[in-house]
Amino acid sequence: KNEVEQSPQNLTAQEGEFITINCSYSVGISALHWLQQHPGGGIVSLFMLSSGKKKHGRLIATINIQEKHSSLHITASHPRDSAVYICAVPHGGATNKLIFGTGTLLAVQP
Amino acid sequence: NAGVTQTPKFQVLKTGQSMTLQCAQDMNHEYMSWYRQDPGMGLRLIHYSVGAGITDQGEVPNGYNVSRSTTEDFPLRLLSAAPSQTSVYFCASSYKSWAKNIQYFGAGTRLSVL
Repeated sequence: KNEVEQSPQNLTAQEGEFITINCSYSVGISALHWLQQHPGGGIVSLFMLSSGKKKHGRLIATINIQEKHSSLHITASHPRDSAVYICAVPHGGATNKLIFGTGTLLAVQP
Repeated sequence: NAGVTQTPKFQVLKTGQSMTLQCAQDMNHEYMSWYRQDPGMGLRLIHYSVGAGITDQGEVPNGYNVSRSTTEDFPLRLLSAAPSQTSVYFCASSYKSWAKNIQYFGAGTRLSVL
């Protein structure tokens, strides 16, 4: 079993839809990361969170430490949100070494 | 602000050739790391460093070498390239403190080994 699992692997949405991407992990963690990788390949950190919820623009990330689960929500989705969304958790308590999920490929159609 | 600068962006090598992927950051980050990204797999850690003079192996270190002589630079060396090293390579940096552990990535190097 992978230590970090994301679902769905692929997601197609219509512009304006509310989107949810899920991440489950099997190890104890201090914080969880959400990243975005655009079709051009660049990777950008979106959130680092250790409890509760964080919001940045139309993006919302939540985490439930007890259930070892996090969600990334996108409200009023737009074609420019099309990207791969990746979650990552620290490995073995070493907070800088991250284990990455395989990503969720999101396509938002106009 | 330059952030994390990786060079080259693209490279084609023949089996057995050696090369160095360059990575530099201007944010005074203690932690730097190299990842490879292959289709269907998450980013995998090759080597990392928690400061100048200190390096350690990650998940997939074989065939790669690193050094950290300065805070800013963290080059990745391929000693004798193999087709299995065809991949996209990313360098990243962050502060060492877990509370400030947002990772900043370079633009990536797409490497093909023939």
